[in-house]
Amino acid sequence: QAVVTQEPSLTVSPGGTVTLTCGSSTGAVTSGHYPYWFQQKPGQAPTTLIYDTSNRHSWTPARFSGSLLGGKAALTLSGAQPEDEAEYYCMLSYSGTRGVFGGGTKLTVL
Amino acid sequence: EVQLVESGGGLVKPGESLTLSCAASGFTFSNARMSWVRQAPGKGLEWVGRIKTKTEGGTTDYDIPVKGRFTISRDDSKKTLYLQMNSLKIEDTAVYYCTTFGSGYWGQGTLVTVSS
Repeated sequence: QAVVTQEPSLTVSPGGTVTLTCGSSTGAVTSGHYPYWFQQKPGQAPTTLIYDTSNRHSWTPARFSGSLLGGKAALTLSGAQPEDEAEYYCMLSYSGTRGVFGGGTKLTVL
Repeated sequence: EVQLVESGGGLVKPGESLTLSCAASGFTFSNARMSWVRQAPGKGLEWVGRIKTKTEGGTTDYDIPVKGRFTISRDDSKKTLYLQMNSLKIEDTAVYYCTTFGSGYWGQGTLVTVSS
C-alpha cells in the first residue's frame, strides 16, 4: 500500500511564502496521481483548495497555487494570512481506483 | 446552494452494523462520483471508498481496511449516497464525511463511535 508523505509542520510569517510538499512511496508524483490539496481548520470539515495538480475552485484564494516540484506535488502559499493557519492534507489517486491521503501538515502563521 | 448532509452516525458495539446516509442537493447528483472519507479523533483524513456514476457502471472501490465489510451504494432518484458498515471494529470510530472530490463539496460529517 502506497504511503503519502507530507511535512508534519511548517511555519510562515504573515505575508510570507511557504511551500508544502506531497510525496509518494511508489516514486515520483505525476499528474496521473491527480493531486488534491485540502485545508481543514479545527472543528470544521475539510475544504478543497486544489484539484488535478493545479486547478483552483471558485472559492480558493488566488494566493494558493498547486504544482509538481522535484517529483512531488506542491502547494505554495504566497502572502500568508493569519486565517491560513490550518492543517493541510494532500491526496493522491493510485491506478484510478483508490485514494491515499498524506498525514497532513500543520501550518502556523507566526 | 450545494449541500451534502450526512446522517446515521451513533454509538454501536463491536461487530454490529450501521448505515450512513448522505443527502445531496444543489447539483446533479447522478452525474457525480461520490466518496466517503473518515477521520478518527485527533487523526488525519482517511479515504474510505468511492462509487462511480451509473453511466460509468456504478462501480465501487474501497480502502483495504474496510474492503469486505463496508458497502457504498447510491440512489440517484433520492439523491442520496449510502455507506453500509458491517462487522464494525473499535478502529472504525471516526467522523465520516461524504464528498464529491471532483467538484470539491464536503458534508459536515457524522460521528460513528464503536465501543463496548
